[in-house]
Amino acid sequence: AQSVAQPEDQVNVAEGNPLTVKCTYSVSGNPYLFWYVQYPNRGLQFLLKYITGDNLVKGSYGFEAEFNKSQTSFHLKKPSALVSDSALYFCAVRDLKGNTPLVFGKGTRLSVIA
Amino acid sequence: DVKVTQSSRYLVKRTGEKVFLECVQDMDHENMFWYRQDPGLGLRLIYFSYDVKMKEKGDIPEGYSVSREKKERFSLILESASTNQTSMYLCASSWGRGAVADTQYFGPGTRLTVL
Repeated sequence: AQSVAQPEDQVNVAEGNPLTVKCTYSVSGNPYLFWYVQYPNRGLQFLLKYITGDNLVKGSYGFEAEFNKSQTSFHLKKPSALVSDSALYFCAVRDLKGNTPLVFGKGTRLSVIA
Repeated sequence: DVKVTQSSRYLVKRTGEKVFLECVQDMDHENMFWYRQDPGLGLRLIYFSYDVKMKEKGDIPEGYSVSREKKERFSLILESASTNQTSMYLCASSWGRGAVADTQYFGPGTRLTVL
């Protein structure tokens, strides 16, 4: 079975500071990992994904994520937060083998304070 | 750009009504998905489809059914709406099957209220 955990319901960070949104996963094989962002009253927007290759993945809006196989983590990062980054962030995983759909975490609300 | 559209942004229905939520994608994607989103519970998969006329149950299919008569359209049906089906409903689509199934693209969502 595959699962994903986002241990923080809420993350607060000051504008200009680095931000990290945490995600850990569990799959039986190799993972296919995603981050999505949701702004108020909108659908989810794709930010970035990891399937193979370089452990540091760069995505939209200056976000990046680091795949760590030994810690089964895929934390989302940004060097300098903007107020406009305030949103709900979802991590998702699926096993590369088989035909199972994505499993999403419960989401982490990021608030960037000016 | 991939576009996924949903028939309504906001919908108010009464208990016992039959409700249809429509989703259309314009990128010839094989896969389509219906989720519901509730605070503190994240996204939960209701049904998905890998091909026309195919459907598979997700994690919470009870009280819902789906229809996929054409590749671009995936409908979610609430046969007899209940107040516990008040939620945000999100449709998504993706290219590829199985191990090559790729990024899901989401519609804007339908906020359904059942009174």
